Amino acid sequence: QVQLQESGPGLVKPSETLSLTCAVSGGSISSYYWSWIRQSPGKGLEWLGYVSYSGRTNYRPSLKSRLTISLDTSKNQFSLKLSSVTAADTAVYYCARSSQLRSLGYYFDYWGQGTLVTVSS
Amino acid sequence: QSVVTQPPSVSGSPGQRVTISCTGSSSNIGAGYDVHWYQKLPGTAPKLLIYANISRPSGVPDRFSGSKSGTSASLAITGLQAEDEADYYCQSYDRSLSVYVFGTGTKVTVL
Repeated sequence: QVQLQESGPGLVKPSETLSLTCAVSGGSISSYYWSWIRQSPGKGLEWLGYVSYSGRTNYRPSLKSRLTISLDTSKNQFSLKLSSVTAADTAVYYCARSSQLRSLGYYFDYWGQGTLVTVSS
Repeated sequence: QSVVTQPPSVSGSPGQRVTISCTGSSSNIGAGYDVHWYQKLPGTAPKLLIYANISRPSGVPDRFSGSKSGTSASLAITGLQAEDEADYYCQSYDRSLSVYVFGTGTKVTVL
């Protein structure tokens, strides 16, 4: 059974960089695509971006200038870095495995429990 | 605001059938991209219910079913149970925005 677990600071100051890590167990990170998704308080789910098993990335255009997602195959984990954060980046951040049945878009079949990150001074 | 819309809420009595609509456009659902559905209980991660429009992951009861037509998709829950009370989200891909999009979400209430 694949399991994902997010870790990282729960509080980040405005203008600083938000850094999270997702540890994957029960399966190799050297397969599949791996995504970050967030949910701001009282709002819906927002896909942020993914990294592929080969390290190729795809980011949400509105976040592209601030977002970096990377893979660490030696530790079987992947990471998110979001720079220049503001209060609007306060959210529960989820990591998820991305799968697809055919070339008609990915879905997210395994999720971490989520971690709340608050941006505040 | 999402480009894929769902009704804010639906409700039903135990044992009843409810459906949740997911309306998109020609740049996402109508472009042929698959629709997937998730169940989210408060304080927990979303759980995949339906993938590729109609397929159920192992362990998901067959009370849950999905369909897709044109620019819309639907999730049906038959034999509604108290444990089905949750938020439900559809998800697809939007080629104009180049993002994976989630619907606005629907709260299901079991009366």
